[in-house]
Amino acid sequence: AQSVTQLDSQVPVFEEAPVELRCNYSSSVSVYLFWYVQYPNQGLQLLLKYLSGSTLVKGINGFEAEFNKSQTSFHLRKPSVHISDTAEYFCAVENTGGFKTIFGAGTRLFVKA
Amino acid sequence: ETGVTQSPTHLIKTRGQQVTLRCSSQSGHNTVSWYQQALGQGPQFIFQYYREEENGRGNFPPRFSGLQFPNYSSELNVNALELDDSALYLCASSSSGAHTDTQYFGPGTRLTVL
Repeated sequence: AQSVTQLDSQVPVFEEAPVELRCNYSSSVSVYLFWYVQYPNQGLQLLLKYLSGSTLVKGINGFEAEFNKSQTSFHLRKPSVHISDTAEYFCAVENTGGFKTIFGAGTRLFVKA
Repeated sequence: ETGVTQSPTHLIKTRGQQVTLRCSSQSGHNTVSWYQQALGQGPQFIFQYYREEENGRGNFPPRFSGLQFPNYSSELNVNALELDDSALYLCASSSSGAHTDTQYFGPGTRLTVL
């Protein structure tokens, strides 16, 4: 079975500052890893995904994430955030032989002016 | 190309009633997954349909059931509603059942059970 832990429920940050949203996962098998964003009253949108290959993955809106197999982590980073990045961010995992996506509880990113 | 749409947007039901939620998948997609997102939680996988057949199921009781139609739209049915069924129900479509395909989510249906 897989599980996902998002280490921070809320992250306040000032505009133009860097941010890191932390995600750790647990799995006994190989996994695919994802980050999604959810804006208020909307569904989820894929930011980026790690399937294989390079451990540094670049996504939309200037976000990137690094897969660290030894630490079972997949932290999301952005060097300079905007007010419009205020949203809920979800880390998710799928085992490579399964069919369902397991989501973390989410991290609320709040960007202040 | 239209995105994933869901109806209704909001719904209020009472305990014991039955509810049907609807999802229209994105054009060209034959796979639909349903998720339950309780307040303050991440989405939880309910089940997935691929070409009108159930392709996998999460840890939800049998009173949660679904259908997928020949045009790949889908329904989620919940019988004997309980208070804990109050949540945002999301559907997501993808172009095939492959794990590497991106899931595109609809805006969700907010269900309140009183």
